[in-house]
Formats: sequence, structure tokens, C-alpha cells
Amino acid sequence: ETGVTQSPTHLIKTRGQQVTLRCSSQSGHNTVSWYQQALGQGPQFIFQYYREEENGRGNFPPRFSGLQFPNYSSELNVNALELDDSALYLCASSWTASAYNEQFFGPGTRLTVL
Amino acid sequence: QKEVEQDPGPLSVPEGAIVSLNCTYSNSAFQYFMWYRQYSRKGPELLMYTYSSGNKEDGRFTAQVDKSSKYISLFIRDSQPSDSATYLCAMTGGGADGLTFGKGTHLIIQP
Repeated sequence: ETGVTQSPTHLIKTRGQQVTLRCSSQSGHNTVSWYQQALGQGPQFIFQYYREEENGRGNFPPRFSGLQFPNYSSELNVNALELDDSALYLCASSWTASAYNEQFFGPGTRLTVL
Repeated sequence: QKEVEQDPGPLSVPEGAIVSLNCTYSNSAFQYFMWYRQYSRKGPELLMYTYSSGNKEDGRFTAQVDKSSKYISLFIRDSQPSDSATYLCAMTGGGADGLTFGKGTHLIIQP
């Protein structure tokens, strides 16, 4: 059973640009969640996808959007980047859509917005 | 007031000491409580999972939940330098609302 992988590892963008981050879930996991972890803070829930549909969202604006594909891969898209979007972005996969099920985290993508 | 409060530390203790980490929370809907360990430049990994109030032990780790006080704890016995990491408490009411994390406590075990 392979773990959760994310790409790229690091990314530098400028304010106003758009970015796409990618995640590959563990095989068999039909749920993926995305979190934003600012420096010195705990992860904050962005949204969750279950069977390719968004079914839960945290307090993040619509310029944060996502996709989930049948092959256990997913994307996080952020439009109109702001300086405060600089953070570590984590994806986590799990067997079911309920948050109490164990979530397996990837190593994250560190995004820097200049 | 944040939903979950956790002292960021750093907390520095000598090898072999008992470590006590804790979080307080305000949302009474939380029923599932977890502790994650995060090493530098890595994603969080689940250490302990507890449902509702009570204690749970796993090797050197013990998790306690007191829902009446809205207080959770993680104890690490016989601490090792390899335990040096950031420890994050997390909780949820279930459903698709994701996990709510504390800020994390940076723990340093001195050899």
C-alpha cells in the first residue's frame, strides 16, 4: 500500500497568479481533504472531496477550488494568489467521508507568494 | 477565542522524562479527538485516537479526554530524542467538516 504523495515539493508564485497543487491518495481511499498550514500554526481545513464531489468546506473563499479524479488523484487550485496564501498545503486521504476516520497526510507542498 | 488552544512551546525536557501535552477547546460538538506528530518538513502522522471521554494507552503514549472540562492530554513516558517533533491535537464532530487542529507544541527531548 503506497502512501500519499504530493507535487511539487516547493513552489514560488507572485501575487495575482494562479496555482495548481497535486495529490495522489492511497489506493482505495475515496475521500481527500486539503489543509493549509501557515508557519507556526496548525493545519486549517480547506475542503473535502468524496467520490469526485465537494462535500465539506472550511472558511476559505471560492478562489480555492478542487478536483478529484477516479484514479485517486486530486488537485487544489488557488486563483488570484495573495501574500497570505504562503503556506504548506497538505492533502489527506481516508477510506470514508467521515472526518473521524483516520486521515493519512502527504508531505505537503510549500507555496511561497511574492 | 480560537476553537482549540494549544501552547506552542517550545517544551524542552531531558531524555527519560514524562512529557505532558494538552489542549483546551470550546466547541461542545467535538466528539473525536486525535494527536498527530509532525516532524520538520513532513506531513502529520496519527499517534492516538480517542472517542468521547476516557483514557487510551498505546505503548509509551497515553491520551486522556475530559469532555466536561473540554480538556485533552497526551502523556509520553520514557521520552526519547526521536520523540522531538511538533505535536498537534485535532478534533472533530464527525461528518464532512474536517479536523480542527491546535497550533501544535514543539517538543525537544534533550539527550
